[in-house]
Amino acid sequence: DQQVKQNSPSLSVQEGRISILNCDYTNSMFDYFLWYKKYPAEGPTFLISISSIKDKNEDGRFTVFLNKSAKHLSLHIVPSQPGDSAVYFCAASASTGNNRKLIWGLGTSLAVNP
Amino acid sequence: ETGVTQTPRHLVMGMTNKKSLKCEQHLGHNAMYWYKQSAKKPLELMFVYNFKEQTENNSVPSRFSPECPNSSHLFLHLHTLQPEDSALYLCASSRNLGEETQYFGPGTRLLVL
Repeated sequence: DQQVKQNSPSLSVQEGRISILNCDYTNSMFDYFLWYKKYPAEGPTFLISISSIKDKNEDGRFTVFLNKSAKHLSLHIVPSQPGDSAVYFCAASASTGNNRKLIWGLGTSLAVNP
Repeated sequence: ETGVTQTPRHLVMGMTNKKSLKCEQHLGHNAMYWYKQSAKKPLELMFVYNFKEQTENNSVPSRFSPECPNSSHLFLHLHTLQPEDSALYLCASSRNLGEETQYFGPGTRLLVL
């Protein structure tokens, strides 16, 4: 059973509008969450993260919101740009001794149309 | 330009072949990882190395054999693979073990016939 779920396989938005990518998780032990972006023929690249002690983290056009009670996080991109078109992966981790393992979602493919 | 390189980028092999995937990181990181990404499945962690010592084997079949001669290089030796092993194999590194921010290579797209 997937512990990290990205229920929308794809999303299409107009340039300049807001993109909202969603992620749900089931394990209440997760205490750190990340978003990665992946272009075709490249590996995932780290985008933004949030600790469970926060409910919002912002970095330029990218903001991640965390709702612990709902076990839900979202990535907002505003304004969206064509170069943001990529697959976005949500990942979560919990501390297990001195090791942390990332649990990944399936990804959401974002298309930003000019 | 990524600090993690992988070769080859594409590989086609028969079930009786032996091949190796290579990963090199130029970031001075101490931890390295092998992941597998199959169609319609999330990224699966296969192996973890810390200072060239294996710290995790995620129940990976023995037909996959990792090797880490030093903190900068990681290999995945493949032997008698099955068609269901066809996938994208990604290498990643992090500054230290347990750090969530990992830096990925471009991956090797493997097809087993």
